[in-house]
Amino acid sequence: DADVTQTPRNRITKTGKRIMLECSQTKGHDRMYWYRQDPGLGLRLIYYSFDVKDINKGEISDGYSVSRQAQAKFSLSLESAIPNQTALYFCATSDYRDRSEQFFGPGTRLTVL
Amino acid sequence: QQQVKQSPQSLIVQKGGISIINCAYENTAFDYFPWYQQFPGKGPALLIAIRPDVSEKKEGRFTISFNKSAKQFSLHIMDSQPGDSATYFCAASRGGATNKLIFGTGTLLAVQP
Repeated sequence: DADVTQTPRNRITKTGKRIMLECSQTKGHDRMYWYRQDPGLGLRLIYYSFDVKDINKGEISDGYSVSRQAQAKFSLSLESAIPNQTALYFCATSDYRDRSEQFFGPGTRLTVL
Repeated sequence: QQQVKQSPQSLIVQKGGISIINCAYENTAFDYFPWYQQFPGKGPALLIAIRPDVSEKKEGRFTISFNKSAKQFSLHIMDSQPGDSATYFCAASRGGATNKLIFGTGTLLAVQP
């Protein structure tokens, strides 16, 4: 079974709709991250969380919000989706005891029409 | 502002050849430099990483070369194989409590049989 899962894997939505992407992990890690990947731009950090009570903005947080419902669950919301939020979204986790490696989920491909 | 610059954007190598991907960084506070490998439809996964106290790290056919004075590091894939065809991202992070990775823009490697 996958250690980091994301749902849905693919989503097509319309401009103005609210959408939530979900991430769950079984690795027991305390740290979780949301990235978006765009061709030619690499991976950019949206939000990160070090525990349930700690939420931090990344470099491109505008238009997004997050919720850390439990240590194992971290969701990303687009309050009012717009076409330039069309991208591949990844959730990742890491362990505070080894701040080095991040473990990525399989990604969610989001298309905003 | 792109803090980690990666080149080339794409690379075609013949089987058995050497693949070389380069990255340059600006922030001298960075103290951890990983390379991630991403196959189509998958999330990135850690391939190899280096810290600035060494100039080279080798794991099998993969080698990182690090030049602290030039603020550059590179990934060398020896005896490249078709199974190495993937997108490669360099990244950097700095010391402290956080583990925020700054990614390069990625290199799409195709190894031709």
